[in-house]
Amino acid sequence: DAGVIQSPRHEVTEMGQEVTLRCKPISGHDYLFWYRQTMMRGLELLIYFNNNVPIDDSGMPEDRFSAKMPNASFSTLKIQPSEPRDSAVYFCAAPRTVGGELFFGEGSRLTVL
Amino acid sequence: GNSVTQMEGPVTLSEEAFLTINCTYTATGYPSLFWYVQYPGEGLQLLLKATKADDKGSNKGFEATYRKETTSFHLEKGSVQVSDSAVYFCALSIQGGSEKLVFGKGTKLTVNP
Repeated sequence: DAGVIQSPRHEVTEMGQEVTLRCKPISGHDYLFWYRQTMMRGLELLIYFNNNVPIDDSGMPEDRFSAKMPNASFSTLKIQPSEPRDSAVYFCAAPRTVGGELFFGEGSRLTVL
Repeated sequence: GNSVTQMEGPVTLSEEAFLTINCTYTATGYPSLFWYVQYPGEGLQLLLKATKADDKGSNKGFEATYRKETTSFHLEKGSVQVSDSAVYFCALSIQGGSEKLVFGKGTKLTVNP
């Protein structure tokens, strides 16, 4: 079990381009979380899933952001179109056991020019 | 609402100094409390946790006690090392597990030799 795997680790793109961030969570458990980290706002919960269903997306900043979890082993966070203020580190996280410790991926650092 | 307030950094200490990072919380219900640590270029890792009042979480020489009367969960270590340099996040979870963690803004610690 390799833990939570995110890709890409770094992404540099131009304003207006579509960005897709990917996450492969720890297999076999029900929750998956997407967080965004910036210097100004710290760690913000964007959205989380339970059994592949979005439970709370109130943290998604705008309609430009969307997230999917087509199956228990894969999730995407998409930004279309991207803007410079979207520059941040995006983390995916999942628990190893029900109600247990939350494991984070290493993050995807996004820079929008 | 639910929120976590932790002391702003950065904190700079000499090796073997005593560390305290303050954390207070506001919560509806009975939260579980956590400290996570983020080393440079990595995702967050659970450092310790406490699930009920008066519980003490401890790990790697760090300790924090869940104080319901003061709604606090201060992180302490008696003698810090250079390798403890990282960003420390206090967090709470209302459901009692890892679901929907609410994080503080983080405190950056630098330990000098």
